[in-house]
Amino acid sequence: AQSVSQHNHHVILSEAASLELGCNYSYGGTVNLFWYVQYPGQHLQLLLKYFSGDPLVKGIKGFEAEFIKSKFSFNLRKPSVQWSDTAEYFCAVNAAGYNKLIFGAGTRLAVHP
Amino acid sequence: DGGITQSPKYLFRKEGQNVTLSCEQNLNHDAMYWYRQDPGQGLRLIYYSQIVNDFQKGDIAEGYSVSREKKESFPLTVTSAQKNPTAFYLCASAMAGGDRNTEAFFGQGTRLTVV
Repeated sequence: AQSVSQHNHHVILSEAASLELGCNYSYGGTVNLFWYVQYPGQHLQLLLKYFSGDPLVKGIKGFEAEFIKSKFSFNLRKPSVQWSDTAEYFCAVNAAGYNKLIFGAGTRLAVHP
Repeated sequence: DGGITQSPKYLFRKEGQNVTLSCEQNLNHDAMYWYRQDPGQGLRLIYYSQIVNDFQKGDIAEGYSVSREKKESFPLTVTSAQKNPTAFYLCASAMAGGDRNTEAFFGQGTRLTVV
């Protein structure tokens, strides 16, 4: 069965700092990969997704993620964070053949002005 | 508006009572999901359904039950057998395309408190 690990549970950054959130999954077959964000008081929304093709995917609000198949990783990055990026970020995987979407434990990001 | 509607937003129940959470979608999605969100544990999958009249257990199905009699509806019942039912419950739906689902869209959630 597939699983998802997010390495950092809490991250605190100053504005303009660079961000990288780790995500690893366990599954040997074809996968779809997602990053979702949950802003305070709001429902989950999709940041970006990888299905196939270019392993470097760009999402909304300047976020990007790189799929490295050999490392089973899909890390989220942003060159310069803003206070408005304060939120909880979730990595998720949907493995072909299992037809279920599994989430990591989440990373809570706090950005200070 | 197209989307996923969960109701109610807040729900209080006495211990030992069953309670049903509603989830309706008008996105014409085949797949629907129920998750439980607890602090520090992310979203844990309770049940999911790919088509009408079929559903599968997720990772934490014990103490929960679901039905999928209509494509647009996927209600979740939290039974008295669920040992720790107080939580935030999220419903989601997605297109189901062959071996792969597309991204899931989420409702605003129901916060259940059992006293």
